[in-house]
Amino acid sequence: DSGVTQTPKHLITATGQRVTLRCSPRSGDLSVYWYQQSLDQGLQFLIQYYNGEERAKGNILERFSAQQFPDLHSELNLSSLELGDSALYFCASSVSTGYTGELFFGEGSRLTVL
Amino acid sequence: GQQLNQSPQSMFIQEGEDVSMNCTSSSIFNTWLWYKQEPGEGPVLLIALYKAGELTSNGRLTAQFGITRKDSFLNISASIPSDVGIYFCAGQPAQGGSEKLVFGKGTKLTVNP
Repeated sequence: DSGVTQTPKHLITATGQRVTLRCSPRSGDLSVYWYQQSLDQGLQFLIQYYNGEERAKGNILERFSAQQFPDLHSELNLSSLELGDSALYFCASSVSTGYTGELFFGEGSRLTVL
Repeated sequence: GQQLNQSPQSMFIQEGEDVSMNCTSSSIFNTWLWYKQEPGEGPVLLIALYKAGELTSNGRLTAQFGITRKDSFLNISASIPSDVGIYFCAGQPAQGGSEKLVFGKGTKLTVNP
């Protein structure tokens, strides 16, 4: 158990819809990262937050947005969903933004868009 | 952007055999890490390397940070069935935002008892 909690574990929805994925980082971790994992693309970095503020952006689509709340949990919002958005979405956390690459991943949220 | 070339894509071995996988890049990395992902789980950090030439072990696992800073390898000795999973290399590029950890596409390991 990494200490990172993600909900929901599975989500099935239709094209055009909007979903919200939730992440609670490990106790004491201030940084939250979101990754997308698909079969052909591997793990793709989407976005990072540190103590409530956006720190880095990766290959995140404009239809996607995220935020980190004062209690440090984070939400990833995916809107106008397309079939190609079907993937595993991972949240990871780390202690600080003195970045070492040592991330603790949650179990992921599997999104299926039909 | 930076890409990591991880090989092999998959391996099928017998229990007790040694395993070697590697990761290469055309650009320099400051950090190399190896993660393992089991079915239904998120990746778990196995080994982190921070200096060129560094050789680090974690039980039966050994990893090295290449001298050129453009590659890393992971060895698993005397494999056992619970070694099954997907092994990812990851690196922190020397150029660009340090938060942008880059992952390889993984090596899927199957161990036959």
